[in-house]
Amino acid sequence: KNEVEQSPQNLTAQEGEFITINCSYSVGISALHWLQQHPGGGIVSLFMLSSGKKKHGRLIATINIQEKHSSLHITASHPRDSAVYICAVKSRIQFYFGTGTSLTVIP
Amino acid sequence: EPEVTQTPSHQVTQMGQEVILRCVPISNHLYFYWYRQILGQKVEFLVSFYNNEISEKSEIFDDQFSVERPDGSNFTLKIRSTKLEDSAMYFCASSVSLLDYGYTFGSGTRLTVV
Repeated sequence: KNEVEQSPQNLTAQEGEFITINCSYSVGISALHWLQQHPGGGIVSLFMLSSGKKKHGRLIATINIQEKHSSLHITASHPRDSAVYICAVKSRIQFYFGTGTSLTVIP
Repeated sequence: EPEVTQTPSHQVTQMGQEVILRCVPISNHLYFYWYRQILGQKVEFLVSFYNNEISEKSEIFDDQFSVERPDGSNFTLKIRSTKLEDSAMYFCASSVSLLDYGYTFGSGTRLTVV
């Protein structure tokens, strides 16, 4: 069973488009992370959320605890945003990871 | 910006051999984690470590695996007798607290078992 579901699995966008990636989870959580994994494999933590909304540059992350749902938005997308975006939730101490959304932004 | 450092970046080992993957967490972090990602699959939690002991471990983390913080700076993952299915990218991470402030991943060690 998947404790974390992401959609879409793959996403192709034109440069400049507004992008939304969704994450739903089924476990009780203390925090939710959005991670970015580059083609070389390295992982970068973008956001850690426990409620509400956070913004960093062109990235916005929101979470609705009641609905067990989070979204990651990218405004004015750029080819350098091309990566796999992973939603991970923390339940007590253990993390559960989504399978990732592969984003390709075309110039 | 502080980093979590992992060495080596790539290790090739023969089946049955022992391997030690090394991580240097950020110096003021107290919680340490190992994850793995088999090629093409999602990241999986292996183990968390705090106050010199394992806090939680997944079903994957069986008797073949062990972790250690031998000297106050390094955090190691040992696989005693590697199997082909242990081939994966192994990520170390650390955080200041259980609330995940400053949560940082290392760049990973790609382990290939032949």
